[in-house]
Amino acid sequence: EVQLVESGGGLVQPGGSLRLSCAASAFTFSNYRMSWVRRAPGKGLEWVADIQKDGSEKYYVDSVKGRFTISRDNAKNSLYLQMNSLRAEDAAVYYCARGPLYFDSWGHGTLVTVSS
Amino acid sequence: EIVLTQSPATLSLSPGERATLSCRASQSVRSYLAWYQQKPGQPPRLLIYDASNRATGIPARFSGSGSGTDFTLTISSLEPEDFAVYYCQQRSTWPLTFGGGTKVEI
Repeated sequence: EVQLVESGGGLVQPGGSLRLSCAASAFTFSNYRMSWVRRAPGKGLEWVADIQKDGSEKYYVDSVKGRFTISRDNAKNSLYLQMNSLRAEDAAVYYCARGPLYFDSWGHGTLVTVSS
Repeated sequence: EIVLTQSPATLSLSPGERATLSCRASQSVRSYLAWYQQKPGQPPRLLIYDASNRATGIPARFSGSGSGTDFTLTISSLEPEDFAVYYCQQRSTWPLTFGGGTKVEI
């Protein structure tokens, strides 16, 4: 069974940084585009970032461009999201999701709280 | 950015009834639309992709239709486990976008 397990969330002050990780198993990770999707408290789903199978293409929602960086290590079956200059509005559960472009497998998410 | 507008925001129904959920796009997404179900404390689950194709393991009571800007998710006869929030999502154009969701409640 496909497994995606996120980690790295936590409490961070505004302006701070976090690095989220997603460990993938039970499928050939290098064959799939991957994305990060978030759900803020009381709100709906928001796609955040996407990365091509070999890492050659990356896309971001406008609100995180220049602050967040998506990356992957296919040798480690891992996906990452480096989040810098965090704002209150970035607080959410962050999900790792398997593409391409529709998401057929999701992790259970990791909670990011941004507060002073 | 393509904005997806879902209606109604909340749908109050009983088990056994038919549910009809709408998703309208601000510009054409052709047939590049998916539907997801999310229950509290769980990740979303892909139900329908490319407007009308059921994902693996999804029961036949879920069906999708539409193209261009108007799409519908139909649950033919609600089961107790179907009470959840439903989202549409387009993959036609970057950035990928989700609708605001429809809550199906008892």
